[in-house]
Amino acid sequence: DTAVSQTPKYLVTQMGNDKSIKCEQNLGHDTMYWYKQDSKKFLKIMFSYNNKELIINETVPNRFSPKSPDKAHLNLHINSLELGDSAVYFCASSPRGVTEAFFGQGTRLTVV
Amino acid sequence: GENVEQHPSTLSVQEGDSAVIKCTYSDSASNYFPWYKQELGKGPQLIIDIRSNVGEKKDQRIAVTLNKTAKHFSLHITETQPEDSAVYFCAASQEGSQGNLIFGKGTKLSVKP
Repeated sequence: DTAVSQTPKYLVTQMGNDKSIKCEQNLGHDTMYWYKQDSKKFLKIMFSYNNKELIINETVPNRFSPKSPDKAHLNLHINSLELGDSAVYFCASSPRGVTEAFFGQGTRLTVV
Repeated sequence: GENVEQHPSTLSVQEGDSAVIKCTYSDSASNYFPWYKQELGKGPQLIIDIRSNVGEKKDQRIAVTLNKTAKHFSLHITETQPEDSAVYFCAASQEGSQGNLIFGKGTKLSVKP
């Protein structure tokens, strides 16, 4: 009965590869997010989707592409992975018009 | 855009003592201020929040205060316990808009038994 679930929890891959992280929420929320947490624990918004529509796209390389097949899912695809992409990526969701966010457990991405 | 500053970056207290973490924000339009607790290997978890129409909110050992004029808000944890040890994040946003949470850089709280 996990509210926001991400897969995989750990992802180790080589530079130049393409990888995806999946996120699903069963809270009935309209808005979903991707956050990146760097090695210093700093949390920064990457993308925000409201009802499958992209709302926020912060300064993120276009190698990162979010995809929302329906309002319960928001996947993150990353092309041509670089060493600097190593971080923990968190998916989150919130009800419409409310920014109270519920976070998933995170995906630790390590690029070698 | 919004900028949130959080202090201190690390805080060590003895079990039973109180802990206070302070944040300031820059955008006077921000009206929603949550606090998150992140334990090792887990995602941030909302522990308490406050909206700009109130100055203080309390939930058992945790309280948050907000000073809109000075644009700062604080988290107070009383009677700390070892299980309170974690990284705490403050955040600010405009609730009801299509804005998003802007986080402070976090405070690592260590409670020593």
